[in-house]
Amino acid sequence: DIQMTQSPASLSASLEEIVTITCKASQGIDDYLSWYQQKPGKSPQLLIYDATSLADGVPSRFSGSRSGTQYSLKISRPQVDDSGIYYCLQSYSTPYTFGAGTKLELK
Amino acid sequence: EVQLVESGGGLVQPGRSLKLSCVASGFTFSNYGMNWIRQAPGKGLEWVAYISSGSSYIYYAETVKGRFTISRDNAKNTLYLQMTSLRSEDTALYYCASRVLGAGYFDYWGQGVMVTVSS
Repeated sequence: DIQMTQSPASLSASLEEIVTITCKASQGIDDYLSWYQQKPGKSPQLLIYDATSLADGVPSRFSGSRSGTQYSLKISRPQVDDSGIYYCLQSYSTPYTFGAGTKLELK
Repeated sequence: EVQLVESGGGLVQPGRSLKLSCVASGFTFSNYGMNWIRQAPGKGLEWVAYISSGSSYIYYAETVKGRFTISRDNAKNTLYLQMTSLRSEDTALYYCASRVLGAGYFDYWGQGVMVTVSS
């Protein structure tokens, strides 16, 4: 099974910062990597797909990148509405696996 | 507007069965692979099962293999999850989510349905 090691588990950021969340895959996943945002009491929402492509309607302050088997989600100048839990997902091979999640708090 | 609406959840005793449904609208259901994903209270997301658009390919997480069965009826735009031999660790919010043909991501998610396994 492919393990997705996500970090950090939580972070508190100011509105002027650049927030970076990473997921390291235990093996190559050919960019079958997507990012989701989940707000309390809501279902996850797609942010980034194919590692770097922005989903429809997602603000341009969100971006995705890859370096080797490490994938990153960057939020530039986050807004208060960006608070929530962020998950990565590898869908390269079954069992599909999510990262453990990163709880983002904006201060 | 795309909608995925799950139903069929509830409180069930350990060892019993339950069948979840997910009705899709607003997109061509028969062109999409579908997934079930669950989230235990206060925990992260766990992928449970996948079925391809024409039901030719079906995959399960090891934690549910042999106990859960995913199926679909494209004429009714409906996805199912038959759950048997339920355990307390199956207690979770169950989401259905669509997967674009040929792509890897889950683009639409339902609101989830709660399954509680307890005596």
